[in-house]
Amino acid sequence: EIVLTQSPGTLSLSAGERATLSCRASQSVSNSHFAWYQQKPGQAPRLLIYATSGRARGIPDRFSGSGSGTDFTLTISRLEPEDSAVYYCQQYGSSPLFTFGPGTKVEIK
Amino acid sequence: EAQLVESGGGLVQPGGSLRLACAASGFSLNTYSMNWVRQAPGKGLEWVSGISSSSTLIWYADSVKGRFTISRDNAKNSLYLQMNSLRAEDTAVYYCAGRGDFYYHMDVWGKGTTVTVSS
Repeated sequence: EIVLTQSPGTLSLSAGERATLSCRASQSVSNSHFAWYQQKPGQAPRLLIYATSGRARGIPDRFSGSGSGTDFTLTISRLEPEDSAVYYCQQYGSSPLFTFGPGTKVEIK
Repeated sequence: EAQLVESGGGLVQPGGSLRLACAASGFSLNTYSMNWVRQAPGKGLEWVSGISSSSTLIWYADSVKGRFTISRDNAKNSLYLQMNSLRAEDTAVYYCAGRGDFYYHMDVWGKGTTVTVSS
């Protein structure tokens, strides 16, 4: 089973700053099998990034994804107040079919 | 607009059963592999079960194998999760989520239904 580790646990930044979220996998993950989700309090998760760097429909271009192998990154170039949320990385495998990281909470000062 | 709406959650005693349903509107489920993902109070996301578009492939997390059964009815555009032998640790918000066949991410999510297992 591939385990995903996210860092930092919490990121506290000001609006307009750049946020860099990290996700590390215990084994190599195919780029096409890696995604990022955003979840705001009381809401369902929303797909942000698919296949490591593809932006989902309706996602602003300040969100970008990169990485390969075991190290993946979600970057928010200029934080907006509405970006306050928990961000989860996800990989697709065989058993279990999907694995999520523990999440990074982004707080806007 | 593509929408998923879950139902069937509630309060159940340990050892009891519940059947969750997920109804799709605005799109056809028959080209989507479907999944159940849960989130315990204050915790992260946990994938529970998945089923391919034609029901030929079914997957379960080890934590629910032998207790939960996933199924779908494409004619009714619906997904189901039969949950038996429920435990306190099954308490969570249960989301249904879809991924297009040949894709590896879930791009359609419902708002969730809450399951509470308690005496």
